Amino acid sequence: DIQMTQSPSSLSASVGDRVTITCRASQGIYIYLAWFQQKPGKAPKSLIYAASSLQSGVPSKFSGSGSGTDFTLTISSLQPEDFATYYCQQYHRYPPTFGQGTKLEIK
Amino acid sequence: QVQLVESGGGVVQPGRSLRLSCAASGFTFSGYGMHWVRQAPGKGLEWVALISYDGSNKYYADSVEGRFTISRDNSKNTLYLQMSSLRTEDTAVYFCAKAGDSSATTRTFYSWGQGTLVTVSS
Repeated sequence: DIQMTQSPSSLSASVGDRVTITCRASQGIYIYLAWFQQKPGKAPKSLIYAASSLQSGVPSKFSGSGSGTDFTLTISSLQPEDFATYYCQQYHRYPPTFGQGTKLEIK
Repeated sequence: QVQLVESGGGVVQPGRSLRLSCAASGFTFSGYGMHWVRQAPGKGLEWVALISYDGSNKYYADSVEGRFTISRDNSKNTLYLQMSSLRTEDTAVYFCAKAGDSSATTRTFYSWGQGTLVTVSS
């Protein structure tokens, strides 16, 4: 299975900050990488697919980049509603696998 | 808009069976692959199973292969997960999710239901 490793596991930031989360795959996955946001007690929400393509309705403050094994999710101008847990997921090979999550907390 | 509503969760003893359902609306259900993904309490996301748009292809995580069966009824716009020989480690919130809209995005998740909690305990 392809292992996905996110860093950091947790992150404290302030409203208005810009943050970056990193996701590394154990083998090359081209651009078959998605990002999800999950708030406590809620379903995940799809943010980005194909490493950098925003899902419909997702604000442009979210951006993704990378290819191969190294990927990033950047969130600009943090607002209170952005504090959540973020997951990356590879879909290059079965089984689809997720990173362990990055919990973004308010400083 | 896409709506996915899971049901069927509950408390079940180890070794017993349970069937989950996911009612879909707001899109052409018969045109998309569908997934089950689970999340143990306080843990991350784990993919469980995928069924192709017409039900002809099914894929499972090793952890559930041989115990869980994914199926769908396109006439009822409903996805199912039959879970047998349940173990305590199957305790989780189970989400159904709509696959992407191309062959390249079949193995990712574009829309999610709210989830249904399955607790396996004696």
